[in-house]
Amino acid sequence: EAGVAQSPRYKIIEKRQSVAFWCNPISGHATLYWYQQILGQGPKLLIQFQNNGVVDDSQLPKDRFSAERLKGVDSTLKIQPAKLEDSAVYLCASSLVRQGVDGYTFGSGTRLTVV
Amino acid sequence: EDKVVQSPLSLVVHEGDTVTLNCSYEVTNFRSLLWYKQEKKAPTFLFMLTSSGIEKKSGRLSSILDKKELSSILNITATQTGDSAIYLCAVEKINFGNEKLTFGTGTRLTIIP
Repeated sequence: EAGVAQSPRYKIIEKRQSVAFWCNPISGHATLYWYQQILGQGPKLLIQFQNNGVVDDSQLPKDRFSAERLKGVDSTLKIQPAKLEDSAVYLCASSLVRQGVDGYTFGSGTRLTVV
Repeated sequence: EDKVVQSPLSLVVHEGDTVTLNCSYEVTNFRSLLWYKQEKKAPTFLFMLTSSGIEKKSGRLSSILDKKELSSILNITATQTGDSAIYLCAVEKINFGNEKLTFGTGTRLTIIP
């Protein structure tokens, strides 16, 4: 089965610029997650979608971050305007949670550097 | 607030040594605990633990969950340089079909040849 696809792999932008990341989950996975992983820290959940509805966006900085999952498949995460502290790896994951089986699959991530 | 704490934060050992990584958690509606290995960017799945006291093994790696102590350990025996990575512990909460993972900060393991 194909994995979770993310693009771009790397992005360097200046502060106050905008940036967008794209994620294509595993086919049939209803739940999609965006995580932010700052260097030296564990991944932090930004937003969770169930199909095209938002389940949890409590840790998403909504003044500058936005995400959508149109048609319940692909998703985009946008930052506008970016700050230096947004430098991180942005991981997308999708899941088909089954009891006793790990159903979470992570993409390779996008490394964002804000200068 | 849910909390997952890993220790040590970093560990440097010689090839062939055995290491034990720790994870403790404070989570309501616990469903499972997962271990991941992160070498470049994407965390890769190691183990999922749901029942207390049952050891899971995969080659030189093993893990066990203690629900009474709200903790888990990950053991790696006869370490190799390829084991160098960040090991992440994550806890999954029951949320009626909307389960999610809360991660610890990870343990950075370095194996010296």
